[in-house]
Amino acid sequence: KQEVTQIPAALSVPEGENLVLNCSFTDSAIYNLQWFRQDPGKGLTSLLLIQSSQREQTSGRLNASLDKSSGRSTLYIAASQPGDSATYLCAVEGAGGTSYGKLTFGQGTILTVHP
Amino acid sequence: DGGITQSPKYLFRKEGQNVTLSCEQNLNHDAMYWYRQDPGQGLRLIYYSQIVNDFQKGDIAEGYSVSREKKESFPLTVTSAQKNPTAFYLCASSRVAASHEQYFGPGTRLTVT
Repeated sequence: KQEVTQIPAALSVPEGENLVLNCSFTDSAIYNLQWFRQDPGKGLTSLLLIQSSQREQTSGRLNASLDKSSGRSTLYIAASQPGDSATYLCAVEGAGGTSYGKLTFGQGTILTVHP
Repeated sequence: DGGITQSPKYLFRKEGQNVTLSCEQNLNHDAMYWYRQDPGQGLRLIYYSQIVNDFQKGDIAEGYSVSREKKESFPLTVTSAQKNPTAFYLCASSRVAASHEQYFGPGTRLTVT
């Protein structure tokens, strides 16, 4: 059974700092990996999706990498801002028929960026 | 605007009552999903549907039921058999081809007392 772990559980940084969030998964047979942002009491916003054949994806100040063989992904946030404060969730979709479309989520990293 | 809508945002029910949560999407996605989120836990999959009139159980389907009569709609019923129904419920949708990127609605917070 796929398990997804996110480290650290919480992170507090000053504005302007570059930071890295970590995600690990136990089964390397994945179809894709998706990073989400969740603000308190809100739904999830998709940030980046990395297909299993890709190594990284970039969007603005965000860069996500994927090392499928070692079961790891990192989300890099450059020049952090107070508006980046949120919970960041990592989720993987398994490869293979019975895992089709089914995401397994980590418990998230709560990020606080203070002015 | 294309997106996913969930209603209501907050829902209160007495124990023993069934309640139905609404999820509608206008993204023309074939697949739709229901997740449950509890404090300190990741999202867990309740049910999913890849095509109209077909759906499959996720990891925690007991006490829940769904229907998929239209492509745009995937309502979730929380029955009285669900032992701990108080939670934040999230609906999502995706294409069944290409990336499978999932898009989420704003969620419904259900409180059962």
